[in-house]
Amino acid sequence: AQSVTQLDSQVPVFEEAPVELRCNYSSSVSVYLFWYVQYPNQGLQLLLKYLSGSTLVKGINGFEAEFNKSQTSFHLRKPSVHISDTAEYFCAVSYFSGGYNKLIFGAGTRLAVHP
Amino acid sequence: NAGVTQTPKFQVLKTGQSMTLQCAQDMNHNSMYWYRQDPGMGLRLIYYSASEGTTDKGEVPNGYNVSRLNKREFSLRLESAAPSQTSVYFCASSEPQVGNTEAFFGQGTRLTVV
Repeated sequence: AQSVTQLDSQVPVFEEAPVELRCNYSSSVSVYLFWYVQYPNQGLQLLLKYLSGSTLVKGINGFEAEFNKSQTSFHLRKPSVHISDTAEYFCAVSYFSGGYNKLIFGAGTRLAVHP
Repeated sequence: NAGVTQTPKFQVLKTGQSMTLQCAQDMNHNSMYWYRQDPGMGLRLIYYSASEGTTDKGEVPNGYNVSRLNKREFSLRLESAAPSQTSVYFCASSEPQVGNTEAFFGQGTRLTVV
């Protein structure tokens, strides 16, 4: 079975500081990896995805993530955060099975950026 | 480009009442999904429809029914609402293919059952 663990439920950080949101996954099949962002009272928006190729993936708003197969991790990073990055971030794994894309989410990490 | 549209955005129900959440997508995707989001639990799959004419249970289907009306529309029905169904509901769609499995989400329906 596939599962996703986000290691921190909340991450407080000061504006312009770096941040890392941690994600580990468990899977018996090949998966694709995603980070989604949810701003207050909005739906989920794709931040970045890893399908294949380079293990360092760049996304929108200056975020990047690194796929580490040996450690089954897909941590999200940003070198300098802004107040506007305050949101909830979801790590997800996807795999194709039974004719549809199965998408499994972690519990989410709430990033709070303080001035 | 509307993407995935959900209605209503907010709803308050009394215990035992019924309602239908509507979802429509304009991306010609074959697969559609209903998730519920609860604090500390991420998104959990309620039902999905791999293609028009098919529906299947997800992780938490009890208390819900779905209808894939056509390729564009996928509705979620609560026959007899319970307080445990207070949640934020998201509809999503994707194209079932190996290699690019991005899902697109609606804005959500915030449901409160009192």
